Parts: sequence; C-alpha cells; structure tokens
Amino acid sequence: DQQVKQNSPSLSVQEGRISILNCDYTNSMFDYFLWYKKYPAEGPTFLISISSIKDKNEDGRFTVFLNKSAKHLSLHIVPSQPGDSAVYFCAASPLFGNEKLTFGTGTRLTIIP
Amino acid sequence: KAGVTQTPRYLIKTRGQQVTLSCSPISGHRSVSWYQQTPGQGLQFLFEYFSETQRNKGNFPGRFSGRQFSNSRSEMNVSTLELGDSALYLCASSPWGRGSTDTQYFGPGTRLTVL
Repeated sequence: DQQVKQNSPSLSVQEGRISILNCDYTNSMFDYFLWYKKYPAEGPTFLISISSIKDKNEDGRFTVFLNKSAKHLSLHIVPSQPGDSAVYFCAASPLFGNEKLTFGTGTRLTIIP
Repeated sequence: KAGVTQTPRYLIKTRGQQVTLSCSPISGHRSVSWYQQTPGQGLQFLFEYFSETQRNKGNFPGRFSGRQFSNSRSEMNVSTLELGDSALYLCASSPWGRGSTDTQYFGPGTRLTVL
C-alpha cells in the first residue's frame, strides 16, 4: 500500500518557467512533509519541508504548499533552472516520535534550456 | 564535517550469495536508516538503528538484516540473494532519527547487481 504517491513519473519544463511537482498521501497521521532532490550517482538531499500547522513554506525559488483536507502537497520551483533537473521525492512522517519517513516513488524533472 | 559514506559503491553478486554493505554516518549522528531504491518503487525503508538497537523495521524479509556498532557505523547484510534484490541501497544518518525534527543526510548509495 503506497501511502505517499507521486503520480507523475516524469515532467519536462522550459527553463525560466514554473515547475510544479505533486504528491498525495493517504495516512492521516502524517503531519510533516519533506521534499528531497536526487542527482544520478548521489544520495537524495533535503530541499524543503512543511509541517501541518502551515499551508505554505518558501525557501528562495522553492515553495511547498500543503492542502491537508485534500491530503495533497506540491512543490513549486520558480524560475526553473537547468540545474534543477533531477528526481524529486516527496516524504512524510508523523510530527512527533521516532517514526520513519515514508517516501513517494519520485518524479524525474527535466528542465529544457 | 564529512558526509555519510557508503562502501562499496558498486557490487556484483550472483544468486544465492550473501552481501554486506557498510555505512559510516556523519560524526555525532546516532541514527542510521537504510533504504532500498528500485525503479518505480521509490525509496523503501528497510530499518533504522539508534544506539546499536534496531528501532524501526520496514516490510522486508528476514534475509535483510543489519547492525550498528558503538561508533554508530552500520552494516546491512542480505543473505541468499535473489535477482529482485538488485537495487541502489541508501544509508541515511541523523542526530536522533526523529523524522520531524532531524534532517536525514543520505550517502551516495551502493549499487548492488545480482546476476
């Protein structure tokens, strides 16, 4: 049972435009959400996070939006740059405790110059 | 600080063999988690170790096991390898292993190919 779903395996966006990556979750115990970025031959690196008490978190070109009622979050990258081409993983966990992170299957983002 | 290191980076084994992968966490980090990454499955959680104790375990068969040493270094072992075990195995460390307050730092992974 995939509790965190990224339904788009791939996405292509023109350089300079907005990239929107989506993630849905089913477990109502999840209160904390993260995005990781992964380049080939490297491990994932933390990008941005959001807790359920907020509906938006920004960090430079990256903004994560959370819609708790729809159990949906999205990552916006504006403007998209060639270096953003990577696989993006959405992850979730309960806010407290030592629970593990549950990851989605990833979306491969390609920025077209 | 040095990052998370994993050895070896690449490994080729045959069915039925066993394999041991190693992970050295960031200095001071006490939690080490292991993940399996396969195409279409994303990162599947294997287990987490904290202070030499397995604290969390994913839904993998008993052929997958691990341990953690007093210096927080961790090893993962897979016995009786199957073709489906071919994957990228990622190790991640964090200070306390709390998903909401600790960022996990990943190593580059070990690419295991089973022939």
